Amino acid sequence: EPEVTQTPSHQVTQMGQEVILRCVPISNHLYFYWYRQILGQKVEFLVSFYNNEISEKSEIFDDQFSVERPDGSNFTLKIRSTKLEDSAMYFCASSQRGGRQETQYFGPGTRLLVL
Amino acid sequence: KNQVEQSPQSLIILEGKNCTLQCNYTVSPFSNLRWYKQDTGRGPVSLTIMTFSENTKSNGRYTATLDADTKQSSLHITASQLSDSASYICVVSAFGGGADGLTFGKGTHLIIQP
Repeated sequence: EPEVTQTPSHQVTQMGQEVILRCVPISNHLYFYWYRQILGQKVEFLVSFYNNEISEKSEIFDDQFSVERPDGSNFTLKIRSTKLEDSAMYFCASSQRGGRQETQYFGPGTRLLVL
Repeated sequence: KNQVEQSPQSLIILEGKNCTLQCNYTVSPFSNLRWYKQDTGRGPVSLTIMTFSENTKSNGRYTATLDADTKQSSLHITASQLSDSASYICVVSAFGGGADGLTFGKGTHLIIQP
């Protein structure tokens, strides 16, 4: 069964450094998402992406965040200047179609630790 | 503000027993409610989805109920197995789009003991 994959599985970085988290969505999916989950907290929506544009973003997704689909398969989340509070598990998800009733398929996540 | 509250926070039961997890929400206008299973270190996996008109939905040993009047949902797990140990997350969607149209609960951490 097709799966969303994410790399790396773990990343440790120094505060102020840039990180890029990578995701390969399911191949026939058109809608892509990033979520984060701070340890012990609930999953939070960051951004959705369709047709090479951001569709929606939360207030968490400020100017230090950006997303890109650099080629036909990868979907990336860049954090320009990491802060301690960016430490979290970051999940990528994809769906075939948009809309609230569409099932989003989540990747295994990247655990980011900012020191 | 849209909110989803889940209870209990954590639950330990013996293998083979049944259990019920609760979800209360204040999300408006309501579109649908979904239960996810999240294994440790993995992404959430959708178990069931229910819209306003649906009262119950089953997926194998998982049965979800929805009372849209009281804004409550439950997830019942029958004849639990060790592999059911996970966090179960209730997610409620609102109509109208917007980033806060999808509200996650904190989850119930379920441990099945042999």
